[in-house]
Amino acid sequence: IQLTQSPSSLSASVGDRVTITCRASRGISSYLAWYQQKPGKAPKLLIYAASALQSGVPSRFSGSGSGTDFTLTISSLQPEDFATYYCQQVNSYPWTFGQGTKVEIK
Amino acid sequence: EVQLVESGGGLVQPGGSLRLSCAASGFSFSSYWMSWVRQAPGKGLEWVANIKQDGSEKYYVDSVEGRFTISRDNAKNSLYLQMNSLRAEDTAVYYCARVGGSSIAGRPGYFYYMDVWGKGTTVTVSS
Repeated sequence: IQLTQSPSSLSASVGDRVTITCRASRGISSYLAWYQQKPGKAPKLLIYAASALQSGVPSRFSGSGSGTDFTLTISSLQPEDFATYYCQQVNSYPWTFGQGTKVEIK
Repeated sequence: EVQLVESGGGLVQPGGSLRLSCAASGFSFSSYWMSWVRQAPGKGLEWVANIKQDGSEKYYVDSVEGRFTISRDNAKNSLYLQMNSLRAEDTAVYYCARVGGSSIAGRPGYFYYMDVWGKGTTVTVSS
């Protein structure tokens, strides 16, 4: 299953609402997770089951979607949110990641 | 503290072998599926392999099938990745990750995710 994220990169300002999309090449129900990765660091789980917020993750992060189309939304971008975001499908093996979306400071 | 610490990375020639280790602490290691994920320099994340709690099920990405072997020793709280016939394209940071899972009220299914990650170990395949 291929995952295609869009955009590949975006520039945004603190306080902006940011939306990243992830499209699966075939239906994966809600078996999708989102991760945040900062340079030189390991990924961090944000969302699982497409919309469930991982414990300790700020509520400005939210996920939605089912089937083939998914979104990650940051309601009000904070300085610490500038990072690369990946979606991952866990519907079937091999598990796959999207190519990533880099969120940069405008 | 829940923690995963990888080791064993290094420089190896094409065709060579390397064994990565991941030491787990702070949680019941034997209760979780475990994963290896890699990231080539400047590239995205690639899932490599999974192993079930008792080691009875293993899954691999096609590009490493037959060359890499995932294993675990629950008595030692350790995860391993034996890498043989290494290629330049295996050059990456290798992360071990704990596979968590949850059911969600009102929704069918059981949802997996990687909720704990190590800091990674670097493997460089070059002559």
